Amino acid sequence: DTGVSQDPRHKITKRGQNVTFRCDPISEHNRLYWYRQTLGQGPEFLTYFQNEAQLEKSRLLSDRFSAERPKGSFSTLEIQRTEQGDSAMYLCASSLAGDGEQYFGPGTRLTVT
Amino acid sequence: QKEVEQDPGPLSVPEGAIVSLNCTYSNSAFQYFMWYRQYSRKGPELLMYTYSSGNKEDGRFTAQVDKSSKYISLFIRDSQPSDSATYLCAITNAGKSTFGDGTTLTVKP
Repeated sequence: DTGVSQDPRHKITKRGQNVTFRCDPISEHNRLYWYRQTLGQGPEFLTYFQNEAQLEKSRLLSDRFSAERPKGSFSTLEIQRTEQGDSAMYLCASSLAGDGEQYFGPGTRLTVT
Repeated sequence: QKEVEQDPGPLSVPEGAIVSLNCTYSNSAFQYFMWYRQYSRKGPELLMYTYSSGNKEDGRFTAQVDKSSKYISLFIRDSQPSDSATYLCAITNAGKSTFGDGTTLTVKP
């Protein structure tokens, strides 16, 4: 069990650029979640997948954000036309369906300059 | 009002102290109750998980849930400097977890 992995760990980009993050969940987990965390706050839910189906999206996920999980394994989160307010830690977690235990990856820290 | 409110801290205790961390929640539909530990610039690490009222113990950690009061607690016995971190409560319904904003704990040797 290698745990949840995320890539890259850090990303610095200029305002207006597009960025894409990748998450590899624990292999037997069929649910995958994306959260965003800013300094001093708890993680905020963005979206989650069961297998390849995206089951829920937060209102935080504006039309500049898109997430995919094409084969029910890894997932990508893309942010288009980044803004300074997008600077945050983007966290991925995975779990078995119906199981409340979500296991988090190390996160991708995004800085938009 | 947030769905999950966590005592903000910060909390500073001497080594060996008993620590109590607390959260309240508003949505009765919440099903699962979790506590995470997060070190600076790292992902949250799952510490405790329960879905029923009562106590659950794991080593020096005890998670307590009172569904009638919508109140959850984490107790740490014999606290160690290595316990210094931010502790997050999280409550889950239908797959989505709602987190408190965390309590930062410092255990001084």
